[in-house]
Amino acid sequence: GENVEQHPSTLSVQEGDSAVIKCTYSDSASNYFPWYKQELGKGPQLIIDIRSNVGEKKDQRIAVTLNKTAKHFSLHITETQPEDSAVYFCGVKGGATNKLIFGTGTLLAVQP
Amino acid sequence: NAGVTQTPKFRILKIGQSMTLQCTQDMNHNYMYWYRQDPGMGLKLIYYSVGAGITDKGEVPNGYNVSRSTTEDFPLRLELAAPSQTSVYFCASTFIPGQGTEAFFGQGTRLTVV
Repeated sequence: GENVEQHPSTLSVQEGDSAVIKCTYSDSASNYFPWYKQELGKGPQLIIDIRSNVGEKKDQRIAVTLNKTAKHFSLHITETQPEDSAVYFCGVKGGATNKLIFGTGTLLAVQP
Repeated sequence: NAGVTQTPKFRILKIGQSMTLQCTQDMNHNYMYWYRQDPGMGLKLIYYSVGAGITDKGEVPNGYNVSRSTTEDFPLRLELAAPSQTSVYFCASTFIPGQGTEAFFGQGTRLTVV
């Protein structure tokens, strides 16, 4: 079945530095890859997503890149700020099913 | 619009008790999902539904049941609560994942089984 792995599990950066989180998936037919941010005590919220027909997408300080051949995608946050501190989840929607599954999460801490 | 609403927000159950976690959405979404999030862990898919009357198992369905009698509601049933079901449960909904709309999550239900 579909599987998604996410690394690292924790990431600490200095304010202003960049942060990169990577995910790999198993189903080559997967076609949708969202990234969610979860703040303490709240439900996850979408921050950016990418579809399988696109290699890169950017929204201000956030970007996502997709390598379909290698079956991995990454979240890039530039010029990090303390309010970026949260848990980030990558998601994968299978090509043949309607399941939306998630990685194990990355706890990002931005040190002021 | 209220979005995705989950009730209750918190609940303590004794081993062997049963309960239903409620989830309702007012966005006319076709797809609905139930996830559990264990402490320090990721989101694991329990069950999902692609429309009224249709449900499918996710990654960790054992010990749970769901129904989808209406588009709006997707309740999750625990029949015999066990300590291993202590977790935070999230419900989510979307039109068609990956095609124009994001999946919206509720605020979660924190369940403790003692």
